[in-house]
Amino acid sequence: SYVLTQPPSVSVAPGQTARITCGGNNIGSKSVHWYQQKPGQAPVLVVYDDSDRPSGIPERFSGSNSGNTATLTISRVEAGDEADYYCQVWDSSSDRWVFGGGTKLTVL
Amino acid sequence: QVQLVQSGAEVKKPGASVKVSCKASGYTFTSYGISWVRQAPGQGLEWMGWISAYNGNTNYAQKLQGRVTMTTDTSTSTAYMELRSLRSDDTAVYYCARLREPTDAFDIWGQGTMVTVSS
Repeated sequence: SYVLTQPPSVSVAPGQTARITCGGNNIGSKSVHWYQQKPGQAPVLVVYDDSDRPSGIPERFSGSNSGNTATLTISRVEAGDEADYYCQVWDSSSDRWVFGGGTKLTVL
Repeated sequence: QVQLVQSGAEVKKPGASVKVSCKASGYTFTSYGISWVRQAPGQGLEWMGWISAYNGNTNYAQKLQGRVTMTTDTSTSTAYMELRSLRSDDTAVYYCARLREPTDAFDIWGQGTMVTVSS
């Protein structure tokens, strides 16, 4: 079965750039979606199809995907960005959605 | 505005069943599908399955095959997820989420429903 690997945690100072990775076998051939989840809240889609942003999501959120790694980049990090972030792909070989284990972003 | 509103928290005994509802508003219900995702306490997201609100087609996670049933009522724009033979490890927050095609991102999520399984 397809596995997505994320670092458990990433820390960054306010105003700096945070990069959260999502590793998977040839993930560059798949469309990757990213969700932000704050404590006690439902997930929110922040990037879809590798690098597109839904309306209302700040331009500070961007994504890339190549080879075996997809990356969510958050520029000029703010305290309000502190949350768990999950990557997601559709595994066509098993007809199922797969989520990464999640990354806790801490703003120092 | 587009929203999904879920039913309230449930407490069930092991072996019982639970049925969670997800009422859609602000969009054409039958133009989208609904996926269900659960999250055990302190854990990550787990996809449970998907249902087309257009024709009722379903796709369930293999792990839950035989215990889960997803349905829709187009007259009330409501999706349902029923889980049977509940176990303690089914304790989780259950979310519904909207997607246009089965392989699209989940663009709108419900607020979540806490299901506790305890004797």
